[in-house]
Amino acid sequence: ETGVTQSPTHLIKTRGQQVTLRCSSQSGHNTVSWYQQALGQGPQFIFQYYREEENGRGNFPPRFSGLQFPNYSSELNVNALELDDSALYLCASSLRGAEKLFFGSGTQLSVL
Amino acid sequence: AQSVTQPDIHITVSEGASLELRCNYSYGATPYLFWYVQSPGQGLQLLLKYFSGDTLVQGIKGFEAEFKRSQSSFNLRKPSVHWSDAAEYFCAVGLISGGYNKLIFGAGTRLAVHP
Repeated sequence: ETGVTQSPTHLIKTRGQQVTLRCSSQSGHNTVSWYQQALGQGPQFIFQYYREEENGRGNFPPRFSGLQFPNYSSELNVNALELDDSALYLCASSLRGAEKLFFGSGTQLSVL
Repeated sequence: AQSVTQPDIHITVSEGASLELRCNYSYGATPYLFWYVQSPGQGLQLLLKYFSGDTLVQGIKGFEAEFKRSQSSFNLRKPSVHWSDAAEYFCAVGLISGGYNKLIFGAGTRLAVHP
């Protein structure tokens, strides 16, 4: 049990729609990272937030965006959904600069 | 560019047998290395990590891993596998600098355990 919670656990959307995924960090953690895990692959880094600002971004298009709130919880927004966006989305919280990430159980997104 | 390769997509072992999962990395400096485990429908749980010092690191659940700089490898081992070890295992390189930390994962090795 990491203390990182994600909602919803499962979600089905259609192509072209928009989706918002939510993450609640472990208590005291000020940094949130999001990863995309496609079927049969390892997780890929989407971006990281610290103090409500994006602190680093992977190779994902601008239609992937995020927010971090003053309580350090976070949202991942994806616009104009594509079939290839179907994946498990993992949130991880940590202290800034710390090497250990604590992962949530993920949100399974299916795009039809 | 940094990368992680896990050559074995799927491994099957008998319960009680020893296990070694392979991991090779590409990184320009001394790497931060991790092994994570993922059970079905679950997030990632950290098994162990290497930053510096002793090249043989001990982790949870009886796992250990050895860092070999000359081979750019960080293989995971367990002397005697239990049925509950069946899961997917991911090796990762950590890029940690100036408050920024990002993991680059391999594609994973799925472990099946025969009774």
